[in-house]
Amino acid sequence: DIQMTQSPASLSASLGETVSIECLASEGISNDLAWYQQKSGKSPQLLIYAASRLQDGVPSRFSGSGSGTRYSLKISGMQPEDEADYFCQQSYKYPWTFGGGTKLELK
Amino acid sequence: EVQLVESGGGLVQPGRSLKLSCAASGFTFSNYYMAWVRQAPKKGLEWVATISTSGSRTYYPDSVKGRFTISRDNAKSSLYLQMNSLKSEDTATYYCARKTAAAHYFDYWGQGVMVTVSS
Repeated sequence: DIQMTQSPASLSASLGETVSIECLASEGISNDLAWYQQKSGKSPQLLIYAASRLQDGVPSRFSGSGSGTRYSLKISGMQPEDEADYFCQQSYKYPWTFGGGTKLELK
Repeated sequence: EVQLVESGGGLVQPGRSLKLSCAASGFTFSNYYMAWVRQAPKKGLEWVATISTSGSRTYYPDSVKGRFTISRDNAKSSLYLQMNSLKSEDTATYYCARKTAAAHYFDYWGQGVMVTVSS
């Protein structure tokens, strides 16, 4: 199985700060990567797919990048509503696997 | 508006069975692959099963293969997950999710249903 290692496990950011979350795959996944946001008590929501494509309706402050085994999610200007857990997911090979998650809090 | 509403969760003893349902609306159900994803309490996400549009093809990770069965009824716009030989490690919130048309991501999720496996 492809292991997805997310870092950091948690972080705290100030209002307006730029935040980056990383995901490292145990083998190349050819940009078959998505990022999800999960607010407390809610179901996950798709933010980014194919490593860098913004899902409809997602604010443009969210962006994704990367290639090969290394991918990142950037939030350009932390907002209160961005406080949530974030997960990456690879869909390159079955079984589809998720990263362990990053808890983002507002400082 | 796309809606996915799960039902059928609850408390079940180890070794017993449970069947989850997901009622879909707001889109042409028969045109989309569907999936189940679970999340153990305070843990990450785990993909559980996927089914093709017609139901002829199904996919599972090793952790549930042979115990869980995903199925669908396109006439009723409904998705199911039959869970047999349940273990304590199957305790989780189970989400019904729609797979995107062109790739293997999940663009809509239900609110989730809790399954607790305990004696």
